[in-house]
Amino acid sequence: QVQLVQSGAEVKKPGASLKVSCRASGYTFTVHYIHWVRLAPGQGLEWMGCINPNGGGTNYAQNFQGRVTMTRDTSISTAYMELSSLRSDDTAVYYCAKGRGGPTSSFDYWGQGTLVTVSS
Amino acid sequence: SFVLTQPPSVSVAPGKTASITCGGNNIGSKTVHWYQQRPGQAPVLVIYYDNDRPSGIPERFSGSNSGNTATLTISRVEAGDEADYYCQVWDSSSDHWVFGGGTKLTVL
Repeated sequence: QVQLVQSGAEVKKPGASLKVSCRASGYTFTVHYIHWVRLAPGQGLEWMGCINPNGGGTNYAQNFQGRVTMTRDTSISTAYMELSSLRSDDTAVYYCAKGRGGPTSSFDYWGQGTLVTVSS
Repeated sequence: SFVLTQPPSVSVAPGKTASITCGGNNIGSKTVHWYQQRPGQAPVLVIYYDNDRPSGIPERFSGSNSGNTATLTISRVEAGDEADYYCQVWDSSSDHWVFGGGTKLTVL
């Protein structure tokens, strides 16, 4: 069965960087895009960007351009999301999600989420 | 960028029908997906391509999309349907995904 397993919760100081991993299993990793979505307290879902595991091409949301980097390691079917220059309003649960088909298809499986707290 | 507008909250009695709207400029020309998110859990895809249900999603969940409004309809609402619901579209003009602000469904 398809599973996305994310790394554990993190506490970071303002200005630091964060790297979250998302290990995929149960399907061919290179066939489906991996998206990153966050849910901040009291806010709605926010799409951060995506990576095509086949080739590594990325597409970042405007709000995160210059601060986010998405990478992957196909040898271990794992995607990574790195966010730099953290601020208190980056406190959120970060999810990875698998695209159903091509880059414009819905997200059919999600990771369990990684809670990130940014606090001095 | 494309904006999706959802009501913050919808309330419904058990056994009744809940309708959650998602407004956007000519959204009927786009494909809409819907997610359910219960507190403390990851989102779950409940409707894709306007009105298709993934396996395991009850037939009580359906969708429609026309003009400037897409709608998620939940028939015979159960207590377990209480959650936040989000609509989503691909905005081809920006090549970005967009989520609505979310609607909290309360089962009275």
